[in-house]
Amino acid sequence: DGGITQSPKYLFRKEGQNVTLSCEQNLNHDAMYWYRQDPGQGLRLIYYSQIVNDFQKGDIAEGYSVSREKKESFPLTVTSAQKNPTAFYLCASSSRDRGLGTEAFFGQGTRLTVV
Amino acid sequence: GQSLEQPSEVTAVEGAIVQINCTYQTSGFYGLSWYQQHDGGAPTFLSYNGLDGLEETGRFSSFLSRSDSYGYLLLQELQMKDSASYFCAPEGGSYIPTFGRGTSLIVHP
Repeated sequence: DGGITQSPKYLFRKEGQNVTLSCEQNLNHDAMYWYRQDPGQGLRLIYYSQIVNDFQKGDIAEGYSVSREKKESFPLTVTSAQKNPTAFYLCASSSRDRGLGTEAFFGQGTRLTVV
Repeated sequence: GQSLEQPSEVTAVEGAIVQINCTYQTSGFYGLSWYQQHDGGAPTFLSYNGLDGLEETGRFSSFLSRSDSYGYLLLQELQMKDSASYFCAPEGGSYIPTFGRGTSLIVHP
């Protein structure tokens, strides 16, 4: 079955540590995205990539880094420079169909807690 | 610039009809999508309006008026399982889905 997989589901990190969140898709989508969601809040765009080996900063990229070496994979690193990293992180992918719009498919999310 | 407005919360009873409004300002607007997210879960795509008018998918319908920069999601025959957050996501020239704070729908028995 095609889909988008995030791992791990729960992650605990000590202050000052970097941590990498995995996101893999087998939907053959060109575009991939990382969003952050805080309790009772909407989704804020961290980074996005519309093609392999290229990515762009979103609205809240500070303290985060990404890579896009393969079409299927778009890992997100939360660095120690991110001041408030505790949040729910969602990865998504999409293809573009002019008739259907940009339907984004989401992974099940990674809940990161800094301890 | 870009802005997006939805009510923060809507409550209704089972079997009722509810409308969730969305007003937006997006550069190079193409269309408006709607997503549903249950607590702790992933958002899932509900509908897309690329043209003005009403799109119907079962109990859910979505409407778009480009001239008013306005859309709504209509949920009919509400069920308890419809309790969730609903996000409108306008699509601009970059084709990146943009989400606001969403609307929390609470369905009471």
